Amino acid sequence: ILNVEQSPQSLHVQEGDSTNFTCSFPSSNFYALHWYRWETAKSPEALFVMTLNGDEKKKGRISATLNTKEGYSYLYIKGSQPEDSATYLCAFVRAGNMLTFGGGTRLMVKP
Amino acid sequence: DSGVTQTPKHLITATGQRVTLRCSPRSGDLSVYWYQQSLDQGLQFLIQYYNGEERAKGNILERFSAQQFPDLHSELNLSSLELGDSALYFCASTLSGTATEAFFGQGTRLTVV
Repeated sequence: ILNVEQSPQSLHVQEGDSTNFTCSFPSSNFYALHWYRWETAKSPEALFVMTLNGDEKKKGRISATLNTKEGYSYLYIKGSQPEDSATYLCAFVRAGNMLTFGGGTRLMVKP
Repeated sequence: DSGVTQTPKHLITATGQRVTLRCSPRSGDLSVYWYQQSLDQGLQFLIQYYNGEERAKGNILERFSAQQFPDLHSELNLSSLELGDSALYFCASTLSGTATEAFFGQGTRLTVV
């Protein structure tokens, strides 16, 4: 059983705050790391797919970094807005294997 | 619209019954995943198919089975349903392996009464 852990489980921030969450995964046989955004009553949507150690990806105010050697990825949100409220999921992929999701970080941004 | 279609959207059935959930992947996607999301739980991986063949199995109960057909659509069969099987069932598809993003359907909300 692959252990993919996300922290914190939930986070409340004020509008305008910057925040970050962590995804920890096994460092052996790494293939890819995905980040998804999952809004209530909708289905998860991909934010980033990262495959190389040291990868940094950015989409608007959201960015992510990847360290495959130590087995972690950070997701950053700069200047959080109420519309950023969602659950953020990471998914680890071992070579030749399926997506294993972490438990998610539920972000709530207060106006 | 992700391009992944799941039917039905909602299903209410009695304990002991059997249901079939259907998923049509995005055009060209070969891999289909099934996930279960129970109340306040994350996404639990059930099973993956790739081009018609089972690729990986997660915590799927023996009462549950799935298959992927030659046209690449997939069905998840749930039998001898129990109250605890009530959940949101998601299907996702990817182009080939898992270095490409997964696209999720809208889910099927199953309620067992």
